[in-house]
Amino acid sequence: DVKVTQSSRYLVKRTGEKVFLECVQDMDHENMFWYRQDPGLGLRLIYFSYDVKMKEKGDIPEGYSVSREKKERFSLILESASTNQTSMYLCASSLSWDRVTDTQYFGPGTRLTVL
Amino acid sequence: AQSVAQPEDQVNVAEGNPLTVKCTYSVSGNPYLFWYVQYPNRGLQFLLKYITGDNLVKGSYGFEAEFNKSQTSFHLKKPSALVSDSALYFCAVRDFYTNAGKSTFGDGTTLTVKP
Repeated sequence: DVKVTQSSRYLVKRTGEKVFLECVQDMDHENMFWYRQDPGLGLRLIYFSYDVKMKEKGDIPEGYSVSREKKERFSLILESASTNQTSMYLCASSLSWDRVTDTQYFGPGTRLTVL
Repeated sequence: AQSVAQPEDQVNVAEGNPLTVKCTYSVSGNPYLFWYVQYPNRGLQFLLKYITGDNLVKGSYGFEAEFNKSQTSFHLKKPSALVSDSALYFCAVRDFYTNAGKSTFGDGTTLTVKP
């Protein structure tokens, strides 16, 4: 089974702090994704990566950056956390960039609170 | 451009009754459609997908979904609901032109099954 793990389940940070969210997948997937989930807004794509060091902006990239130095690891960075970034953050992966039929596999989520 | 709508925020059914969670979509080309379920404080789990072929797709936990091209719908169904089916359900869509497997998710429907 594919396993996607996220470094923290719950995180509390202060406004202005730099925040790192880590995601690791163990199935050699090419694609990795970061979403944020807010009530009534569904899942919104922040960034995704289809290869090491490759990234593309999603629908709401402002205030975020990402890093993918190794295939299995995809990091989401909040350069200066703000209260409106309080949310549930979900990481996902899928097999291949050119296979639109692939299923996405999700991690358990990180609930981030910015005070 | 692709989009998906889940017209009901909340669906309530009694245990043992059939359930339906609605989803409609809009894509430029052929749609690829997915249903995911999220239990409290967990990540999303894949339920089923429609790629091509038979319009009735069977998935995990006794769920099925019917693809209707003329109505651009992909409703999730189960003949007999269980209390343990209570969760948040997301419909997602991609089209052939979407690279890296990017999906657009609906806002989610909360299913409550009462004993």
